[in-house]
Amino acid sequence: QVQLKESGPVLVQASETLSLTCTVSGFSLTNYGVIWVRQPPGKGLEWMGIIWRNGNTDYNSALKSRLSINRDTSKSQVFLKMNSLQTDDTAIYYCTRDRTDYWGQGVMVTVSS
Amino acid sequence: DIQMTQSPSFLSASVGDRVTINCKASQNINKYLNWYQQKLGEAPKRLIYNTNNLQTGIPSRFSGSGSGTDYTLTISSLQPEDFATYFCLQHNSFPGTFGGGTKLELK
Repeated sequence: QVQLKESGPVLVQASETLSLTCTVSGFSLTNYGVIWVRQPPGKGLEWMGIIWRNGNTDYNSALKSRLSINRDTSKSQVFLKMNSLQTDDTAIYYCTRDRTDYWGQGVMVTVSS
Repeated sequence: DIQMTQSPSFLSASVGDRVTINCKASQNINKYLNWYQQKLGEAPKRLIYNTNNLQTGIPSRFSGSGSGTDYTLTISSLQPEDFATYFCLQHNSFPGTFGGGTKLELK
């Protein structure tokens, strides 16, 4: 069945770079894109960026200068990297299939000053 | 970016009630509007896609409607498991944008 699972550090220092991995199963990254979405504690959802099934990427303009998304199709993994972290980047980070029909469980990342 | 204004932010209701939640887009989104349910500590769950298509496995008491800039999620008869937070998402234009959420609470 379709599954996505996020992994990565739960605590990151301000000004450093966040690296997260989304490992998928039950579908191919060459057939579906993957979106990263984040949710600050107690707040709403923010669409961060997408890696399309052809490998192209698009980013939310608010994050574009700090964000990159890549993938390794052989490992069924999608990678998020975001630099220059600040405390307001503290959030649950989710990956979801491009139709947003399947979501990972999310990973809570705290940015410490 | 398209702005999504969701209302109400909070809704208090009883089991058996009929409730509606609204999302208004800042421009026409051509029915590319999804609805999600999120319970505490869980990932969002898609309920409705493209305005009025029920996700497989979602009870028929959930329905969606709308066009242009105005969209509605209706729960026809609230069940205890429906008390949660609901979000809309437009995916007509990049980036997708979410409504601010509606927290549905037991009266």
